[in-house]
Amino acid sequence: DAGVIQSPRHEVTEMGQEVTLRCKPISGHDYLFWYRQTMMRGLELLIYFNNNVPIDDSGMPEDRFSAKMPNASFSTLKIQPSEPRDSAVYFCASSLVLGQVTDTQYFGPGTRLTVL
Amino acid sequence: EDQVTQSPEALRLQEGESSSLNCSYTVSGLRGLFWYRQDPGKGPEFLFTLYSAGEEKEKERLKATLTKKESFLHITAPKPEDSATYLCAVGGSYNTDKLIFGTGTRLQVFP
Repeated sequence: DAGVIQSPRHEVTEMGQEVTLRCKPISGHDYLFWYRQTMMRGLELLIYFNNNVPIDDSGMPEDRFSAKMPNASFSTLKIQPSEPRDSAVYFCASSLVLGQVTDTQYFGPGTRLTVL
Repeated sequence: EDQVTQSPEALRLQEGESSSLNCSYTVSGLRGLFWYRQDPGKGPEFLFTLYSAGEEKEKERLKATLTKKESFLHITAPKPEDSATYLCAVGGSYNTDKLIFGTGTRLQVFP
């Protein structure tokens, strides 16, 4: 398996522009997670999906952020409008569901976003 | 509130100098403790999962152990290629779907 795939790997944009990050989870995984990583705050969970349905979006910083999962093999994280404080590395991860225990999450390579 | 604390924040070792990284956790019913390695510019890479106190797992120079309050990642005779940030995360019974991550230990091994 190719693992979790993210695109683009790097994105540089200007303040106010729309940014769309993309993720393809590992085939057969039921869960998909979006994280943001910064030096100040570490790894933060933004939102996660189970079987394409958003379960918890309490980590989404504000209404400028939105995420969708139209099918089991694709998800997007959109920021509109973007601001300099959104600059960070955004990771996508996926996992199976095991019920009584937490399953291992496998991470993609990340998208480094810079908002000027 | 579930919480994960890693120490030290940074660790510098000479090649061959063994040491341990600590991960202390507070969680309502542990459902899994995970260790990841993260290299600069890359995503976290899975190393180990531990589910119950007393459990141990090994991989090359790394050995992870688990008690009811903390986990240790022991590094035996490290090499420069072991330099990375090591992240600890836990899953709790309140919500087994999610992982709570610590802030990591940045390890540098010098030849």
